[in-house]
Amino acid sequence: GESVGLHLPTLSVQEGDNSIINCAYSNSASDYFIWYKQESGKGPQFIIDIRSNMDKRQGQRVTVLLNKTVKHLSLQIAATQPGDSAVYFCADKGGGADGLTFGKGTHLIIQP
Amino acid sequence: DAGVIQSPRHEVTEMGQEVTLRCKPISGHNSLFWYRQTMMRGLELLIYFNNNVPIDDSGMPEDRFSAKMPNASFSTLKIQPSEPRDSAVYFCASSFGGLGNIQYFGAGTRLSVL
Repeated sequence: GESVGLHLPTLSVQEGDNSIINCAYSNSASDYFIWYKQESGKGPQFIIDIRSNMDKRQGQRVTVLLNKTVKHLSLQIAATQPGDSAVYFCADKGGGADGLTFGKGTHLIIQP
Repeated sequence: DAGVIQSPRHEVTEMGQEVTLRCKPISGHNSLFWYRQTMMRGLELLIYFNNNVPIDDSGMPEDRFSAKMPNASFSTLKIQPSEPRDSAVYFCASSFGGLGNIQYFGAGTRLSVL
């Protein structure tokens, strides 16, 4: 079946810099997208979501951008902090009764 | 707010034994999800309940896996007999309103089948 994939498995950024995590999805019928953060030994934690009728949504230090034309999703984290170090997953929900499909994850490492 | 509660946090068992994982969803949520996470396959949806009724169990790998939700505040995932390849972290998540809404995850159960 179709799935969500990530461009980079590991991203290393300097503390205080901005980071961008990218995600490509393949299901053109996907209508809902979520970013999760997973720290070691914990369950995925919701960060931000966006529906297909939007192309940008902002939260606290995070912004999600959705480009439906090229089926691309990104998560921007501003002024990264050590606590941002984690694995970040994107997930998309296909149309209708389809469930969430998770990508493999990107490991974000914050360098001091 | 207690969040989604899973038990046990860790389970070590021998091949062939029965394993039961437990989940208490967030109060008021009407949808519950069981996921399995491995390094090779990432997060996979096993089964999804809505209003205590199983809606989609297409992700359940084999007949050895079964899940129940006897009431709105409790669900179990059972593996019998367990096999070493079932070793993984099993997550339960809940949401209000089903698939198109935020799913909140528990801390997971790390299962090791020897």
